[in-house]
Amino acid sequence: NAGVTQTPKFRVLKTGQSMTLLCAQDMNHEYMYWYRQDPGMGLRLIHYSVGEGTTAKGEVPDGYNVSRLKKQNFLLGLESAAPSQTSVYFCASSGTGNPPDTQYFGPGTRLTVL
Amino acid sequence: AQTVTQSQPEMSVQEAETVTLSCTYDTSENNYYLFWYKQPPSRQMILVIRQEAYKQQNATENRFSVNFQKAAKSFSLKISDSQLGDTAMYFCAFQGAQKLVFGQGTRLTINP
Repeated sequence: NAGVTQTPKFRVLKTGQSMTLLCAQDMNHEYMYWYRQDPGMGLRLIHYSVGEGTTAKGEVPDGYNVSRLKKQNFLLGLESAAPSQTSVYFCASSGTGNPPDTQYFGPGTRLTVL
Repeated sequence: AQTVTQSQPEMSVQEAETVTLSCTYDTSENNYYLFWYKQPPSRQMILVIRQEAYKQQNATENRFSVNFQKAAKSFSLKISDSQLGDTAMYFCAFQGAQKLVFGQGTRLTINP
């Protein structure tokens, strides 16, 4: 059982370039999330989705876009990368509920913007 | 807004010792979950233990247990018989109706 996977694991971009991070989960979870983790800090929520075709902003959404065209996939896009977006990005998924069920995380993507 | 505070940036103990990591949180919600996640050098976020707020009984997972004090909004993690593989960053997290909020983390080192 793969759980949550992320592609790619590492990426280096130049300022102004664009890229898309892919997250896939095989647990049939409704909810999916994108976080960033900066050095010495916990995770901060960028965007999330409560179901196929829906997305919502989290704590730090500026400079990012997301799409959830299929239930098992959640894409994070950077249209014009900036050095401030150098970070480690984590995807997570969870079941539904109030509060939402436990989140399970992917292995992370280390992004460097030069 | 919910906040999670871990007051110990770093801790270090000898192998086989018991160590307790502290966490406090602030919320006005009554129904929520609390978690401890472990992040080893591989960066993978690994769920250690979960506590439902409505349960009075403290959660336990093998060598890991929590002391959940709801009135005091305190949620500490106790690691018994610590092992070298327990070396990692540990994050306390709060899940309410809206989102999962993380503390700043505690870097735990287990020395041989």
